[in-house]
Order: sequence, then C-alpha cells, then structure tokens
Amino acid sequence: GESVGLHLPTLSVQEGDNSIINCAYSNSASDYFIWYKQESGKGPQFIIDIRSNMDKRQGQRVTVLLNKTVKHLSLQIAATQPGDSAVYFCAEADDFGNEKLTFGTGTRLTIIP
Amino acid sequence: DGGITQSPKYLFRKEGQNVTLSCEQNLNHDAMYWYRQDPGQGLRLIYYSQIVNDFQKGDIAEGYSVSREKKESFPLTVTSAQKNPTAFYLCASSIDGGGSEKLFFGSGTQLSVL
Repeated sequence: GESVGLHLPTLSVQEGDNSIINCAYSNSASDYFIWYKQESGKGPQFIIDIRSNMDKRQGQRVTVLLNKTVKHLSLQIAATQPGDSAVYFCAEADDFGNEKLTFGTGTRLTIIP
Repeated sequence: DGGITQSPKYLFRKEGQNVTLSCEQNLNHDAMYWYRQDPGQGLRLIYYSQIVNDFQKGDIAEGYSVSREKKESFPLTVTSAQKNPTAFYLCASSIDGGGSEKLFFGSGTQLSVL
C-alpha cells in the first residue's frame, strides 16, 4: 500500500544552525502535503502545508520544499531555537484517492544548546 | 478561545471495561476525527465524521465505537473488545473533511490499562 516515510528517526542540531527534516512519499497521486510539530504529551501543531502545484513555500523561519519527481518533501527550519525541539511529522493526501491525511512515523529533532 | 478540548488528560481502564474519551470543538468545523498514536509511530485513523449523525471507519476501527449527535462533539468509546488499548488518543477537526485540508488537534488523552 501507499505509505509516507521519513529518512531519519532522530536529528540533533546546534542551536542557531539550520535544520532540515526529510520525508519520502510513495503515492504519486498525492497532491497535498503538511508538516506538524508535536511536543511531548501534546497534540500536533500545524507548521506549514503545500500543494502539488508548488515547489516551495515559506513561513516564519520555516520553508517546505517539494520535489515531485523523486517524491520527496523537506522541512527547513532556520536559526533553530530550543523551543524547536519536538517530533516533526509529514503527512500527505490526494483529492481523488485517499482523501484522509496519511502520517509518517516522525523525526525527533533535538536542539543542542 | 477557539479550539478542541479533549478530556480527561489521563484515563485508566480495567480489563473488560468500556471507557469513553471526550472531544469537543468550538471551531464550527463539520469534520471530526479520532487518531491513535503508539510510541515511535505515526498517527493511525480510527474513525471520522464529516457530518452530524454520520461517521466512517478508519484504518483501525475494530474495538472502538463513536457517535456524532452534535456538531461540536465526537466521543470515542474504547470497548472491551480492544485488547491493546494503551495509547495516546488524539481528536482532530477540519473545516469540511473534503480532502486536502489541515487538521486541528486537541491535546490528547493517554489511556492506560490497569
């Protein structure tokens, strides 16, 4: 079946450096992608989303890049702060098949002071 | 303050007991969802509802039941048929559940077996 996966389960980054979290997806029909941040014991918080008609989208300190050719999604966090430590999930959906979001297993980001 | 409220934060179930997790939203969203999260895993969809008095099974509905009598409320019952209920349960809502749209999550309920 279709799945969404992450390349690395854990990532440690020095405070102030940039972080890049990667996500691979296998459903070529996926047309909507979203990133969530989840802190321990809390519900996921929306970070940023992107549709398949775009390659890049920027938010505050975050950028999502979509490469449809290789079915790869990445989340870039600029100038990481201690508050960025969390688990980050990507999820995907397609309007004509599995409309409901399918979530990956998550990457734990740890910021080193 | 608009949002999704889940209660209780922690819940303990005895063997053979049914327990109900509460989820209320004041976002005026049509669609609501229940997800299960196990340690080190992603979110798996249990049930979802796009309109009052209607709901559909997700990927792991066995051992669970839901109701949607009001737009604001979507309680989840974990029945005794669910043999491995220990998990973190997340409720979410979205504007209309029509497909590619972001979900708004509650703060979760941790269910454990005594």
